[in-house]
Amino acid sequence: GQQVMQIPQYQHVQEGEDFTTYCNSSTTLSNIQWYKQRPGGHPVFLIQLVKSGEVKKQKRLTFQFGEAKKNSSLHITATQTTDVGTYFCAGFGGNYGQNFVFGPGTRLSVLP
Amino acid sequence: ETGVTQSPTHLIKTRGQQVTLRCSSQSGHNTVSWYQQALGQGPQFIFQYYREEENGRGNFPPRFSGLQFPNYSSELNVNALELDDSALYLCASSLRSPGAYEQYFGPGTRLTVT
Repeated sequence: GQQVMQIPQYQHVQEGEDFTTYCNSSTTLSNIQWYKQRPGGHPVFLIQLVKSGEVKKQKRLTFQFGEAKKNSSLHITATQTTDVGTYFCAGFGGNYGQNFVFGPGTRLSVLP
Repeated sequence: ETGVTQSPTHLIKTRGQQVTLRCSSQSGHNTVSWYQQALGQGPQFIFQYYREEENGRGNFPPRFSGLQFPNYSSELNVNALELDDSALYLCASSLRSPGAYEQYFGPGTRLTVT
């Protein structure tokens, strides 16, 4: 079955440093979503990518979908303490009755 | 806030018991998905309901069952609880249309099985 992997598992950065998390799927995806989960909270939808090679930006966050639609990345520029949390990618195969398969997440700590 | 609500917030049950968790979806959403999130892991898909029919199921045994009601709210039932069922149970609502599966999660129900 479809598997989604993320690296790194943990990342500790100093406030102001950049951060990148990578997501890889074992199969070609129809689309991919990114979520952020704060400690003790629930996943919050950030963005969805659909097209091959697509790049989307949200302020300091840049999301990219690979050309082969099997990988994706999230890059945060100049991290802030408010960026703390776990970032999950979730891949969708596109077939009826399927659902998103979540990666294990990357936990980001930002030191002030 | 997403408008997705879940009840109860926390629950403690004994091994072998049965539990029912509830979810009210966001207004206008006709699809509800249930996920199990163990500590330190990503959400694992249990099943999805679309217009009151089960529409996809993850790798969970039949003792995990669900319902969706005409107002699109939903229930997750777990029979014969096991210790490994201890987790955060999340529901997510979405508007099911081609290529538009943005999911909005509720706050979750923390289930502890002793």
